[in-house]
Amino acid sequence: KAGVTQTPRYLIKTRGQQVTLSCSPISGHRSVSWYQQTPGQGLQFLFEYFSETQRNKGNFPGRFSGRQFSNSRSEMNVSTLELGDSALYLCASSLFSGPQETQYFGPGTRLLVL
Amino acid sequence: AQSVTQLGSHVSVSEGALVLLRCNYSSSVPPYLFWYVQYPNQGLQLLLKYTSAATLVKGINGFEAEFKKSETSFHLTKPSAHMSDAAEYFCAVTTGTASKLTFGTGTRLQVTL
Repeated sequence: KAGVTQTPRYLIKTRGQQVTLSCSPISGHRSVSWYQQTPGQGLQFLFEYFSETQRNKGNFPGRFSGRQFSNSRSEMNVSTLELGDSALYLCASSLFSGPQETQYFGPGTRLLVL
Repeated sequence: AQSVTQLGSHVSVSEGALVLLRCNYSSSVPPYLFWYVQYPNQGLQLLLKYTSAATLVKGINGFEAEFKKSETSFHLTKPSAHMSDAAEYFCAVTTGTASKLTFGTGTRLQVTL
């Protein structure tokens, strides 16, 4: 089976712009979670989607949003980019939603905000 | 609220030596615990997970971890380090009904000749 894929892999934007990142989960997986990784804050949970519904949300401002499509693919959007949004954004998928589920991570999208 | 603490942001061992990476958790309910590894410019790869079936968990690449409730610990070990083990290792916890992983700050493992 193909793993989790994320596009694009690298992205450069300027402050004030918006960006959309895409994640394709492993075939058959219905849960997709997003994480932000920065040197200062480490790995932080953004949100989880399961069957097109947001199940959980982390402590991020409303500029961060996401959605999930009927084929389980997910997108996250960041509006009005700030310098501090520069990070590696990781997507993870699992068969179902739940604490015991193994989450499989994609390679990430590295976003640089100038 | 749940949390994990990883003691030691950097650990250096000689090739062939024991690897011990420390993780302590805090949770008011039974936790699920995970160890992930991250190689440079890559995502996270699951090494092993604890889901209450057995306290000693064996993972990939010769790694194992033991869940000790009395010590609230889930330390990762490998009997003999290999150069290819050099990477960053993250301990993580989930509880309740959520898939949300709460990660530790990570430990960078260096393996020297």
